[in-house]
Amino acid sequence: DIVMTQSPLSLTVTPGEPASISCRSSQSLLNSNGYNFLNWYLQKPGQSPQLLIYLGSTRASGVPDRFSGSGSGTDFTLKISRVEAEDVGVYYCMHALQTPRITFGQGTRLEIK
Amino acid sequence: QVQLVESGGGVVQPGRSLRLSCAVSGFTFSSYAMHWVRQAPGKGLEWVAFISDDGSNENYADSVKGRFTLSRDNSKNTLYLQMNSLRAEDTAVYYCLRFSSAAFDFWGQGTKVTVSS
Repeated sequence: DIVMTQSPLSLTVTPGEPASISCRSSQSLLNSNGYNFLNWYLQKPGQSPQLLIYLGSTRASGVPDRFSGSGSGTDFTLKISRVEAEDVGVYYCMHALQTPRITFGQGTRLEIK
Repeated sequence: QVQLVESGGGVVQPGRSLRLSCAVSGFTFSSYAMHWVRQAPGKGLEWVAFISDDGSNENYADSVKGRFTLSRDNSKNTLYLQMNSLRAEDTAVYYCLRFSSAAFDFWGQGTKVTVSS
């Protein structure tokens, strides 16, 4: 199975400042059609996870444009251009290349300073 | 709108069985592969099981293989997870998920399973 490694595991950010989370996969997530099968999810406190980014860089419906996904192959990044209080929670990356056998990263906890 | 409503969780003794259900609405259930993902208390997300849109293919995480069985009734828009020989490490919130555009695009509230004597 593909191993997903996130860093950092936690970060504290001042509102209005940017934030960046890295996700590395043990195998390339780029498929033959040129899509990266990498997704990002946010689990806010006490809630179920929600989809933020799919196929590496496409924002899900309703996701603010301060969230962006980038990267290709084995190295990916989720960026928040200006962190807001409502962005607090745990962020997970997830690969979907070898479906149905899917794996998630360990999660990155974002807190507000 | 898309809805996934999990049910059937509860407290069960080690070695016993439990069946989870997931009732879906707002989309053509029979057109989508479905998965279960779980989250142990204070832990991350773990993929558990998959079933194809027509129910002909299944796949399981090594941690549950041989103990869990996934099935679906497309006429009732319902997904089932039969969990046998439950262990303490199966304690988690279980989510059923639609797989669309290579992602889990909608998440329900999940159903909590506690395995304890």
